[in-house]
Amino acid sequence: GESVGLHLPTLSVQEGDNSIINCAYSNSASDYFIWYKQESGKGPQFIIDIRSNMDKRQGQRVTVLLNKTVKHLSLQIAATQPGDSAVYFCAENIGSNFGNEKLTFGTGTRLTIIP
Amino acid sequence: DTGVSQNPRHKITKRGQNVTFRCDPISEHNRLYWYRQTLGQGPEFLTYFQNEAQLEKSRLLSDRFSAERPKGSFSTLEIQRTEQGDSAMYLCASSLTEEQYFGPGTRLTVT
Repeated sequence: GESVGLHLPTLSVQEGDNSIINCAYSNSASDYFIWYKQESGKGPQFIIDIRSNMDKRQGQRVTVLLNKTVKHLSLQIAATQPGDSAVYFCAENIGSNFGNEKLTFGTGTRLTIIP
Repeated sequence: DTGVSQNPRHKITKRGQNVTFRCDPISEHNRLYWYRQTLGQGPEFLTYFQNEAQLEKSRLLSDRFSAERPKGSFSTLEIQRTEQGDSAMYLCASSLTEEQYFGPGTRLTVT
């Protein structure tokens, strides 16, 4: 079946360095992707999204890259701060043109920023 | 705070009891979703409403689970005859377009 997975379960990065979190998806029909940040005891927080007709999108200190050829998604966080420590999930939506509203999440990557 | 709110935040119940959770979405959002999250895993979709209509239900949603959104605003998720396997974080999200915004969740512990 379709799935969203992550290459690495944990990642430690020195404060101030850049971090890259990777995600693989298997459903070529997926047309919308979201990255969420989840801190302990809280719900997932929307970070950035990207549609399948784009290969890059930038936000504040974050960039999402989409490679449809290899079904790969990445989240780059620039100049990491202690507050960036959290679990990061990628999620995909198959048929997001209001035909299918379900998000499928991966397991998550725990990012730890080392002061 | 104008985000998604959920109540209660924590619920401890004994096996066999019924529990009900409430979700208040962001006010103008017409879509409302329920997800379940167990420790170390990503959220899993349970069900989805557009206004008051329940449009999709996951196979995870057994007959013991029921969700309602009677006036197209807040929603309730009820679990009857709880089992230990129901212990999880129950997350609610709402959206106006594709971006789904999550609430803080209700953590259920079944003893």
